[in-house]
Amino acid sequence: ETGVTQTPRHLVMGMTNKKSLKCEQHLGHNAMYWYKQSAKKPLELMFVYNFKEQTENNSVPSRFSPECPNSSHLFLHLHTLQPEDSALYLCASSLWVAGDQETQYFGPGTRLLVL
Amino acid sequence: AQTVTQSQPEMSVQEAETVTLSCTYDTSESDYYLFWYKQPPSRQMILVIRQEAYKQQNATENRFSVNFQKAAKSFSLKISDSQLGDAAMYFCAYRSRMEYGNKLVFGAGTILRVKS
Repeated sequence: ETGVTQTPRHLVMGMTNKKSLKCEQHLGHNAMYWYKQSAKKPLELMFVYNFKEQTENNSVPSRFSPECPNSSHLFLHLHTLQPEDSALYLCASSLWVAGDQETQYFGPGTRLLVL
Repeated sequence: AQTVTQSQPEMSVQEAETVTLSCTYDTSESDYYLFWYKQPPSRQMILVIRQEAYKQQNATENRFSVNFQKAAKSFSLKISDSQLGDAAMYFCAYRSRMEYGNKLVFGAGTILRVKS
């Protein structure tokens, strides 16, 4: 596998379920991101991890819980979601060098439907 | 806070012709990056082109070029010799170069349709 991969590609869950989204990057990057893409809205940054440390939480509800065990893997744990959380969730990664960030590369996304 | 505006929700172009997608942004900073990303239907978002604000020369990548007007805060994308594979949603994005500025700010996107 090359680039940024995400699993699953599609997910349907009930409001009481617990599920996790997985992202893996094979680019040697040290920063990873979660974005939410809803219909007719700009992409919204959710979380940023630099060197496995969370550096940004963009006022995301606690029903979304990120985890970054190492610089290649990023998870988004989901619990008690709401129907309005249905969206495409995109993972991205980049290289952070000497105080500057290189271009972000995106995964294919997980299409989430909350019933 | 920075904002990015794409005023064209949809554009159409005939195959082999040229189309320009508009993007304006608002920032008080002088050092930043601008990007155009392409997201084909049900496919991965990929980087099309990137521009550093300190560079006066417009970036080009094969059939893709930008018209960067820093004073006007405008960053349009020109696609020459359009191909069917260019059909996608195109996003304009901004990122500060300040040390803490690792956030990409996206516009709402422009759907590009290519007619054969």
